[in-house]
Amino acid sequence: AQSVTQPDIHITVSEGASLELRCNYSYGATPYLFWYVQSPGQGLQLLLKYFSGDTLVQGIKGFEAEFKRSQSSFNLRKPSVHWSDAAEYFCAVGDRIAHTEGAQKLVFGQGTRLTINP
Amino acid sequence: GAGVSQSPRYKVAKRGQDVALRCDPISGHVSLFWYQQALGQGPEFLTYFQNEAQLDKSGLPSDRFFAERPEGSVSTLKIQRTQQEDSAVYLCASSPRPTSLNTGELFFGEGSRLTVL
Repeated sequence: AQSVTQPDIHITVSEGASLELRCNYSYGATPYLFWYVQSPGQGLQLLLKYFSGDTLVQGIKGFEAEFKRSQSSFNLRKPSVHWSDAAEYFCAVGDRIAHTEGAQKLVFGQGTRLTINP
Repeated sequence: GAGVSQSPRYKVAKRGQDVALRCDPISGHVSLFWYQQALGQGPEFLTYFQNEAQLDKSGLPSDRFFAERPEGSVSTLKIQRTQQEDSAVYLCASSPRPTSLNTGELFFGEGSRLTVL
């Protein structure tokens, strides 16, 4: 079965510092990969996605992620974090739904909680 | 409405009670998903509808869980004889087409938080 591992449960960084959140996936074919952010009391918001092509993808809010097939990784990065980036971050992989024409469901990692020090 | 709407936002149930959680997807969206998010965990897939057809229910944890979408729009997730381990946030998401995940057009509601005492 497809799975996603986020090794870091909680990360604390200082405002203005750089950030990298790790994500490893297990998937037999070329994966569809996603990063979502969840702020307290808010719905999940898509930050960025990777399907094919350029392995470095840009997202909203200044985030980027790099797909590395050899390492089965899709790490999320930001050069300089802002206090408003404090939230829960989820990496996910798309998994095909059987007996449909291309429908997929998301398989999520357990999340990384990001705290920002002023 | 402009987004996916879920109700109630908060529900407290005594163990053994039945609960029903409602999801109003974005109008015209074909695909609808239910996820369960336990405290400190990532969302876990429960079930998937394409219009009124329930095409995948592999994530439903037991036969106490039942979901329906009879007219292909509003969906209800029903949990019978609730147990403490059912305490979680239940998320609904909808998308315009079955392949909308490819374009990132998957919209989540804010969830219904269920607490079973």
